[in-house]
Amino acid sequence: DAGVIQSPRHEVTEMGQEVTLRCKPISGHDYLFWYRQTMMRGLELLIYFNNNVPIDDSGMPEDRFSAKMPNASFSTLKIQPSEPRDSAVYFCASRPDSSTLRAQYFGPGTRLLVL
Amino acid sequence: QKEVEQNSGPLSVPEGAIASLNCTYSDRGSQSFFWYRQYSGKSPELIMFIYSNGDKEDGRFTAQLNKASQYVSLLIRDSQPSDSATYLCVGYSSASKIIFGSGTRLSIRP
Repeated sequence: DAGVIQSPRHEVTEMGQEVTLRCKPISGHDYLFWYRQTMMRGLELLIYFNNNVPIDDSGMPEDRFSAKMPNASFSTLKIQPSEPRDSAVYFCASRPDSSTLRAQYFGPGTRLLVL
Repeated sequence: QKEVEQNSGPLSVPEGAIASLNCTYSDRGSQSFFWYRQYSGKSPELIMFIYSNGDKEDGRFTAQLNKASQYVSLLIRDSQPSDSATYLCVGYSSASKIIFGSGTRLSIRP
């Protein structure tokens, strides 16, 4: 079975540009999570969805960040306008259901560099 | 106090020895814990999960959970250079919120 798929794997952009990151969760997984990882702050949960509905977006740093999940197999994380401090690795993860006995499975990540 | 705490390391262990990674948590209602391994430049990869008091073994890995003392540990027997990575301790709080530790860097020296 395919794991979580993310695209692009690498993104280099200039400050002020719009960036869109994409994620396809594992088929049948009801939960989707977006994380950001930096050396300074470690792994931070940005937002998560259950059955395509955003449940908790308290980790979204500011209004420049937005996330959508139009269907069960696709989600986007958008940054507009991007800033150098947004440079990080962004991971998408999915989980089968709400059980706390279930692990999350991570995608390969998108390495974002904002110049 | 962080909800899930780990020593950031680096923890240096000779090849062939047992590596012991520890994690403490503050929410006594936490039910389950997961250990992820993350190689540099890669995504976190699930190694083990545990939700009952005691030990759980899988190959060279043993996860231990002590709910009374609120700690979780991961033992790696016969450590190999390929075990060098950052290990993340992850738990679910009593409110079912997932909490990540900051990770422990493990270095296996040949």
